[in-house]
Formats: sequence, C-alpha cells, structure tokens
Amino acid sequence: DAGVIQSPRHEVTEMGQEVTLRCKPISGHDYLFWYRQTMMRGLELLIYFNNNVPIDDSGMPEDRFSAKMPNASFSTLKIQPSEPRDSAVYFCASTRRGLSSYNEQFFGPGTRLTVL
Amino acid sequence: LAKTTQPISMDSYEGQEVNITCSHNNIATNDYITWYQQFPSQGPRFIIQGYKTKVTNEVASLFIPADRKSSTLSLPRVSLSDTAVYYCLVGDGRRDDKIIFGKGTRLHILP
Repeated sequence: DAGVIQSPRHEVTEMGQEVTLRCKPISGHDYLFWYRQTMMRGLELLIYFNNNVPIDDSGMPEDRFSAKMPNASFSTLKIQPSEPRDSAVYFCASTRRGLSSYNEQFFGPGTRLTVL
Repeated sequence: LAKTTQPISMDSYEGQEVNITCSHNNIATNDYITWYQQFPSQGPRFIIQGYKTKVTNEVASLFIPADRKSSTLSLPRVSLSDTAVYYCLVGDGRRDDKIIFGKGTRLHILP
C-alpha cells in the first residue's frame, strides 16, 4: 500500500483565496482524521470521519473551514476565505478500528500551507 | 481521555540511552499507552504501545510500572537521526474515536 496520500505537498496562496487540501486514506481504513500543526499550538485534531460520515468537527476553528468525504477513498479540507493565521502544516491520517485496544493512526506527509 | 504530561524538550548525545517519561495519573483500566515519533517535515508515526510491564520492539522499549500512572520510553544508543518529537498518548482504541496529541517531547541528539 502507498500509505496515506496528500496533495498538494506545498501550497502558497494569498489572503482571501480558497484553498482545498486533498487526502486519500489507506484502503480498508474506516476512520479518517484531519490535523493542523503549528509551533504555537502543536498538533490539533480538526475533524474526523467514520465510514465517510463526519463524527466530530469540534476542532474546526471557524466556519471558513469545511471538510467532506464523498467516498471511502477521498477527503477534502477547504478553507474559504483563507487568512494568514491559517498558515500551518495540515495532516491527514487514517486507521481501522478493531476489536482490540490497539489503535494505530497512519499519517500522510502533510500539506504545508502558507497564506500571504 | 486521560491527560498526559511529558517534558517539553530533552538533549542527549549520540550513543547514549535516552529515557522519556510520561505521566498519566488518570489512566483508565482499559487504556493503552502509545508513543508516536515525528521527524521534521513528516507526519507522526507509531513506534510502540503497551498496557503494563515492559514492551520491546526493534525501535524502542516501553516500561510501565504496576500502577500504570506513568510510562518511560527508552531509546537505546541514540543517533542523530533520532532527533524528533515524541508523543505519549493514552486511550482505549475500542472506545475512543480520536487521539489527542499534546505538544510532545522535542528530543535533540548532539554529536
């Protein structure tokens, strides 16, 4: 398996523009997570899905952020309009919930977003 | 989810054994202890998980005392490439849908 795939790897945009980040989870995984990482706040969970359904979006900072998962192999995180404070590395991760307490998340390489 | 506390940063030298301790006083009966490692410009990756006593794999060892209120990640004979952020997490994979990462411990290995 290729692992979790994210695109683009780097994105530079201007304030006010729409930004769309993409993620392809590992095949067979039923949970997908979006994280944001900054030096100040560390790694923050934004939203996660189970079987394509959003379960908890309490980490989404504001209405400018939205996430979708139209099918089991694709998810998007959209920021509209973008602001400089949205500059961060955005990670996507996936996992498969089992019957044991073992729960390993697999992370993608991240998208480094810079909003000018 | 049980809260964890770990040092913000640590320095060590190549060839040394490094021990990072994590406190989790409110750990629940069914919670497991998991450690992730994050290299610069990469996403975190799982390195080890345990419930009690000692667990060892090709990367690290995890020591958990009987009361389970803390755990120690041990990295034997570190090299420069072990410079990374190490996260300690506590939870029950069957019950907890999400994992909360804290700030982690920034380990810096010096030559």
